[in-house]
Amino acid sequence: DAKTTQPPSMDCAEGRAANLPCNHSTISGNEYVYWYRQIHSQGPQYIIHGLKNNETNEMASLIITEDRKSSTLILPHATLRDTAVYYCLLYNFNKFYFGSGTKLNVKP
Amino acid sequence: NAGVTQTPKFRILKIGQSMTLQCTQDMNHNYMYWYRQDPGMGLKLIYYSVGAGITDKGEVPNGYNVSRSTTEDFPLRLELAAPSQTSVYFCASSYTSGGAFRETQYFGPGTRLLVL
Repeated sequence: DAKTTQPPSMDCAEGRAANLPCNHSTISGNEYVYWYRQIHSQGPQYIIHGLKNNETNEMASLIITEDRKSSTLILPHATLRDTAVYYCLLYNFNKFYFGSGTKLNVKP
Repeated sequence: NAGVTQTPKFRILKIGQSMTLQCTQDMNHNYMYWYRQDPGMGLKLIYYSVGAGITDKGEVPNGYNVSRSTTEDFPLRLELAAPSQTSVYFCASSYTSGGAFRETQYFGPGTRLLVL
């Protein structure tokens, strides 16, 4: 059972903001939302996580809706090196559940 | 720190053969994980460990075994290789204390396994 739903692919122009949506309508109260990305076939790389409030770090911003049923990852100024598959995950009882992710294509 | 290392990088097995995928981390993390990733798909959890001597099943444990005798090492064993086990295998580790839901997993580079 998929716990998160993401669009399979998105395009973004270099230098523009990339907004990647994620639906997690069955999220429970103590589940955190995590975002990872995978470049080519490398191991996934942590980006950001949050519970209720919006979060920002040096890589990205995470916007979580008030009902927590969806979230958006924002890369403020996408570069070609941000081309990757982005996974939205829920963390629950020692386990991460990876979906199929969104392939972000950053174009010159 | 080397982080999470995995060996081998690539292996071809014949059906029915056995092998062990090695994973080592030097960050003193208590949690370790094994995932598999089939082409075009997300990662699926095979087994995980919350500390030395403690392991538990993930989503897809059938056909695999694990052990955790030290904090650093978490090998994954395939006893009777099958074509369905052709995949890329990732090991990961993280540190968690007090049950806080604030894990960040660090992944190894992966092992590509082809079973023919």
